[in-house]
Amino acid sequence: SQTIHQWPATLVQPVGSPLSLECTVEGTSNPNLYWYRQAAGRGLQLLFYSVGIGQISSEVPQNLSASRPQDRQFILSSKKLLLSDSGFYLCAWSSTHLIYNEQFFGPGTRLTVL
Amino acid sequence: GDSVTQMEGPVTLSEEAFLTINCTYTATGYPSLFWYVQYPGEGLQLLLKATKADDKGSNKGFEATYRKETTSFHLEKGSVQVSDSAVYFCALRVSPGGGADGLTFGKGTHLIIQP
Repeated sequence: SQTIHQWPATLVQPVGSPLSLECTVEGTSNPNLYWYRQAAGRGLQLLFYSVGIGQISSEVPQNLSASRPQDRQFILSSKKLLLSDSGFYLCAWSSTHLIYNEQFFGPGTRLTVL
Repeated sequence: GDSVTQMEGPVTLSEEAFLTINCTYTATGYPSLFWYVQYPGEGLQLLLKATKADDKGSNKGFEATYRKETTSFHLEKGSVQVSDSAVYFCALRVSPGGGADGLTFGKGTHLIIQP
């Protein structure tokens, strides 16, 4: 069966510090990968998605970036965090097979920027 | 663009009450529709889905029917339990099967079930 991991689970960082959140998927190959952010009182916002190694599409311009160095690894980064970057970050994957179009989510990372 | 509208709540019900959470959508193409549930401090879990008109998705006593004529996908459960307390998200995806674009989510409905 497939599993998705995220770490760290929680993170408190000062404004201006760098960020690296990691997501890995097990039990599947060549998944589509996604980063979402859930801000307090708001819905989920798609930040990035990837269809393969080194292929990243950005949905919203901001000071975050994403990378996919390996098939089942997806990293969210920032060089300098802003207060507005606080939120709950969720990684998700979906299958590239024709009949599957739902996405499966990881446990999330709670980021607080102070 | 695509959008999903759902009541935000909180919706407070007594145990064993009937539940309806409304969800309506606008989509540029023919969407697949989903309900996800988020328990406190956790990620989202897929609750049910429907991929074409008149399909009924069901799971754990919850069900929702894809109504193309009213562009709706309302979530229902006949008798809720305290353990159903969570945030429920309606979502859609308009893409060919295997497409990589993300889901469009509603803002979520916070459901509180009191004993």
